[in-house]
Amino acid sequence: DGGITQSPKYLFRKEGQNVTLSCEQNLNHDAMYWYRQDPGQGLRLIYYSQIVNDFQKGDIAEGYSVSREKKESFPLTVTSAQKNPTAFYLCASSGTSGNTGELFFGEGSRLTVL
Amino acid sequence: GDSVTQMEGPVTLSEEAFLTINCTYTATGYPSLFWYVQYPGEGLQLLLKATKADDKGSNKGFEATYRKETTSFHLEKGSVQVSDSAVYFCALKYYGGSQGNLIFGKGTKLSVKP
Repeated sequence: DGGITQSPKYLFRKEGQNVTLSCEQNLNHDAMYWYRQDPGQGLRLIYYSQIVNDFQKGDIAEGYSVSREKKESFPLTVTSAQKNPTAFYLCASSGTSGNTGELFFGEGSRLTVL
Repeated sequence: GDSVTQMEGPVTLSEEAFLTINCTYTATGYPSLFWYVQYPGEGLQLLLKATKADDKGSNKGFEATYRKETTSFHLEKGSVQVSDSAVYFCALKYYGGSQGNLIFGKGTKLSVKP
């Protein structure tokens, strides 16, 4: 089935450690996105990539890094510089051909800092 | 800049009650509008969309009409079920700038009691 796969679903991290969240899609979509979700704050855009080897900062990029070496993959690294990393992270993708704006989401990764 | 405002929750209803979740937007131009739904512990799924004024999006008994004159896209359902309990997000497609693809409202949590 086509879709977006995020892993791991749950992740625990000690303070000062970097962690990487995986996002893979087989929808042949050009654009991919990372959002952070906190209770009562909706979704906030961290980074997005419209094409391989290119990405742009969103509203809350500080303390995060990404790469886009392959069309299918857009991993997010939460670095030790991120002051409050405990959150639910959502990856999404969208096509550009005849794009009506719809985003397709993964099931999310919940990161907890101990 | 472009933005989406939706009614704050939580909203608690009895089964078979009528549902309205208000959503208004501010945008330059004529954005596409969306409602997404998030069931507990999952990512977001597209519920319905409308791409131009007076369009009505519908799915699973939910409806929303794109009203340019009132800049609104209110979500309605005539008879809710317990299985409709979820968080609902209104969103608009943003053209250009650093916002990525969609701008989301903060979400409205709906709880339906049997």
